[in-house]
Amino acid sequence: GAGVSQTPSNKVTEKGKYVELRCDPISGHTALYWYRQSLGQGPEFLIYFQGTGAADDSGLPNDRFFAVRPEGSVSTLKIQRTERGDSAVYLCASSPLGTEQTEAFFGQGTRLTVV
Amino acid sequence: SQQGEEDPQALSIQEGENATMNCSYKTSINNLQWYRQNSGRGLVHLILIRSNEREKHSGRLRVTLDTSKKSSSLLITASRAADTASYFCATVPNTGGGNKLTFGTGTQLKVEL
Repeated sequence: GAGVSQTPSNKVTEKGKYVELRCDPISGHTALYWYRQSLGQGPEFLIYFQGTGAADDSGLPNDRFFAVRPEGSVSTLKIQRTERGDSAVYLCASSPLGTEQTEAFFGQGTRLTVV
Repeated sequence: SQQGEEDPQALSIQEGENATMNCSYKTSINNLQWYRQNSGRGLVHLILIRSNEREKHSGRLRVTLDTSKKSSSLLITASRAADTASYFCATVPNTGGGNKLTFGTGTQLKVEL
């Protein structure tokens, strides 16, 4: 694939339900990041993977949010007991290495709406 | 949390004019990056400037960085209607935490024909 792929592109769910958002990074990229963007705001960091392990999960807002990357490639962001305040665009990015001096390649995001 | 502010929040110019956007941040950085976003979805990387650099050019883009003032500016010269988008600055901390980006609040640029 040419770029970072996120599925689904849109997700509407009812309050209290569980959702999974998928990110397929650029092949060979070892670093993967999840961000959340609310309307009119810049993206906010959620979690960063280097390979299979979560190197930094300090941005996850609470224990309803969890992310995995079991084989060091595809990642899934999981949200339990969704709340209306979780509505946002969830963006995934990858970069070749986990070093500071590289650009991040973003997917088109998943727009999550909790009703 | 957001790193800082971008100024202006919105900017409307005529095609052919130059557009300048400013970004302020709060903490020590390894580098600062500018991204463009169309229609509130994917972000596209524009340019990266390291903390020991003061100015960088890429095509019609010119970025400056003043670490003493913790500020950066993005200049787009000879703007085109296709430049209409939101522009975000993002900083990478000097803490060895990978390419973890902290974004500003963004500038919405509208270039009119």
